Amino acid sequence: QQQVKQSPQSLIVQKGGISIINCAYENTAFDYFPWYQQFPGKGPALLIAIRPDVSEKKEGRFTISFNKSAKQFSLHIMDSQPGDSATYFCAASIFGTDKLIFGTGTRLQVFP
Amino acid sequence: NAGVTQTPKFRVLKTGQSMTLLCAQDMNHEYMYWYRQDPGMGLRLIHYSVGEGTTAKGEVPDGYNVSRLKKQNFLLGLESAAPSQTSVYFCASSTSSRQGMNTEAFFGQGTRLTVV
Repeated sequence: QQQVKQSPQSLIVQKGGISIINCAYENTAFDYFPWYQQFPGKGPALLIAIRPDVSEKKEGRFTISFNKSAKQFSLHIMDSQPGDSATYFCAASIFGTDKLIFGTGTRLQVFP
Repeated sequence: NAGVTQTPKFRVLKTGQSMTLLCAQDMNHEYMYWYRQDPGMGLRLIHYSVGEGTTAKGEVPDGYNVSRLKKQNFLLGLESAAPSQTSVYFCASSTSSRQGMNTEAFFGQGTRLTVV
């Protein structure tokens, strides 16, 4: 059972466009939602994260939007660049445990 | 600063063989984790450790064992490898008992294991 559902599985965007990746969860105990970025042959690395007490967090071209009532959150990449081509994972933390639950990943390709 | 180092980077095993994957971190992190990554399934937690001498089961622990004899090392063992264990394995470490709570998980570069 996938506790964090991520879509789309793959995404193709032209340079300068906006990339949007969506995630949904069921467990209301989740209280921390990070996004990880993974380049081919590398391990994932933290990109940006949000707590449920805010609806949006922005860091440069990357923005997380969070909808607590809908139990959804999304990653927006503005002015997408070829260097953004990577696999993106959303994740969620369960309160009181030591586990980070990942989504299934989205492979983003940005073409010039 | 090496961060999280995994050994080996690649390995091919025959069904029934055993092996140990080594993870070493030099950041003095208390918490360490083993994940497997499979196409379309994301990262799934196998086992984790919240300190030296402690281990716990994750989402998919069957067929694996772990040991944390030293704070900086976390070993993942396959006693009798099966083709279903063909995967990319990632080790991670972090500073908090709540891995995602205002902290960051640092990942190694992965071990690509093929079981034939």
